[in-house]
This record gives sequence, structure tokens and C-alpha cells, in this order.
Amino acid sequence: NAGVTQTPKFQVLKTGQSMTLQCAQDMNHNSMYWYRQDPGMGLRLIYYSASEGTTDKGEVPNGYNVSRLNKREFSLRLESAAPSQTSVYFCASIPGLARNEQFFGPGTRLTVL
Amino acid sequence: EDKVVQSPLSLVVHEGDTVTLNCSYEVTNFRSLLWYKQEKKAPTFLFMLTSSGIEKKSGRLSSILDKKELFSILNITATQTGDSAVYLCAVERAGANNLFFGTGTRLTVIP
Repeated sequence: NAGVTQTPKFQVLKTGQSMTLQCAQDMNHNSMYWYRQDPGMGLRLIYYSASEGTTDKGEVPNGYNVSRLNKREFSLRLESAAPSQTSVYFCASIPGLARNEQFFGPGTRLTVL
Repeated sequence: EDKVVQSPLSLVVHEGDTVTLNCSYEVTNFRSLLWYKQEKKAPTFLFMLTSSGIEKKSGRLSSILDKKELFSILNITATQTGDSAVYLCAVERAGANNLFFGTGTRLTVIP
């Protein structure tokens, strides 16, 4: 049981490049989330997926797209990376059924030059 | 506007000290408050609090919620260097699927 996994762990992009951050969970959780964490800003929600086939915007969705490929996988795409998207990105999932503590992946540190 | 405010922003203590971390909140349709510990990587879950006045305890850590005054505290007794981390407070709103996080308190425990 690997929990929540994320790839890659580190990435450096040039402005304008695109990339997809991958997230997968093997705990049969319904809801999955993407956050970004910046110094002094805490964790901010980018997008979430309450269940397979649905996605919704969070607090800071601009510049991002997501895909809930199946129950296990939830990817985050940057179509045209900008330096303002330099951050640490965390994927998380929750068990649901009145248990809403979030389980987090190890994070992806992204630098956009 | 919903907000979660943690204090202090950072704290340095000596091993063996007791610390109290604070989290105040203003959110609509409050459902629960959660505490996380974040070391170098992902946040790890500590406590979920839904009812006022009921202390949650795990080893040297304990937490309590006051829904009237809209705050929670996280206590750590007999601190150890392994307690050094950022402690995050988050609030869950009823009917919402996400958590709203504070900016965290960075605790440093020195030998």
C-alpha cells in the first residue's frame, strides 16, 4: 500500500513549456486534490475532484488544468508555465464516509525559469 | 471572507519545554478543524476536532477546540528535536470538499 504517490519529485521548466504532474492513490479514495505551497502562503487549493469523472476549481486554478483519469489517478497540467508557478505541488486524497483527514503525497518541487 | 490564522508564525524552544500553538478561524458553515505536522515533505495528519471542549491526545501532543471563541490550540509537552516542523491548521466547511489551510507555525526545538 503505497498511499499517495507523485511524479516527478523535481522539475525545472523554461517559461512557456508545458508539463503534467502525475498523482495516484491506491487507497480507494473518492476525492483527490491538488495544492500548491509557497513560502508564507500556506497550502492553497488549485483543483479538486470529488469523485471519478468530476473536477472543480479551487482557490487558485488559473494556469492549470486537471484530469481525473480514473479513481486512482488525478493529473495536473501546466500548459504554458510561468515563473509565478514556481512552487511545491502536493496531491492529496481523502477516505470520505465522514473521514475527511487528507493523505498527502510527497510533493513535486517545480521551478520555472 | 473565510480565514484561518495561526500564531505564532515561528517559535524556538529548548528540548523539554512545553509549547502551545494557536489557530483561530472565521469560516462559514464550520464542520471540523484539523492539525497537520509537516517536516521536510508532505503534511501528516495529527488530529481532527469537531466538538468543543473535548481534548484529543496522542502521546505528548494534545489539542482542543473552542467553537464559541473560534479557535483551537495544539499543545506539545516535553518537546524533542523530532518535534521540529511546521504545524498546519486547516478548517473543513460543511458541504465543501476541500480544506482551508492557515500559513502554519514553524517550531524549532534545540537541544
